[in-house]
Amino acid sequence: DQQVKQNSPSLSVQEGRISILNCDYTNSMFDYFLWYKKYPAEGPTFLISISSIKDKNEDGRFTVFLNKSAKHLSLHIVPSQPGDSAVYFCAASAREYGNKLVFGAGTILRVKS
Amino acid sequence: ETGVTQSPTHLIKTRGQQVTLRCSSQSGHNTVSWYQQALGQGPQFIFQYYREEENGRGNFPPRFSGLQFPNYSSELNVNALELDDSALYLCASSSGTGLGYEQYFGPGTRLTVT
Repeated sequence: DQQVKQNSPSLSVQEGRISILNCDYTNSMFDYFLWYKKYPAEGPTFLISISSIKDKNEDGRFTVFLNKSAKHLSLHIVPSQPGDSAVYFCAASAREYGNKLVFGAGTILRVKS
Repeated sequence: ETGVTQSPTHLIKTRGQQVTLRCSSQSGHNTVSWYQQALGQGPQFIFQYYREEENGRGNFPPRFSGLQFPNYSSELNVNALELDDSALYLCASSSGTGLGYEQYFGPGTRLTVT
């Protein structure tokens, strides 16, 4: 039973445009959400997070939006750069789970120059 | 500051064999979590160690076991290897176990079981 779903296996975007990566979750207990980026032959690196008490968190070119009623979050990258090409994982946790994470299957982002 | 390191990088084993994977946590971190990433899937939580004690386990059978040492490095042991154990094994260290303690991942060990 996949509790965190990323339904788009891949996304291709032109440099300078917006990239929007989506994630859905089913477990109502999740109250903390993270995005990780992974390059080949490297481990995932933390990108941005959001707590369920917020609906938006911004860090430079990266913004995460959370819609609790729809159990949906999205990552916006503006403007997209070729160096953003990577696999993006959505992850979730709950206060009682601590920092043990449940990951989605990932979305491959390709930014074309 | 040294990041999280894992050894070996790649490993090929035969079904039924046993394997030990190693992880050195980042300096100052007392918590190590292990994840299995099968092809085309996201990382799946195996277990977490905090100050040498197991602190939570995912849906993995007992043939997956672990250890954490006084220097907070860690081992993942898998007995009676099965073909489905072929995956990238990631370890992540953090300075605590609570929500919000950022995890820093190593590059992983690619295990192939034939």
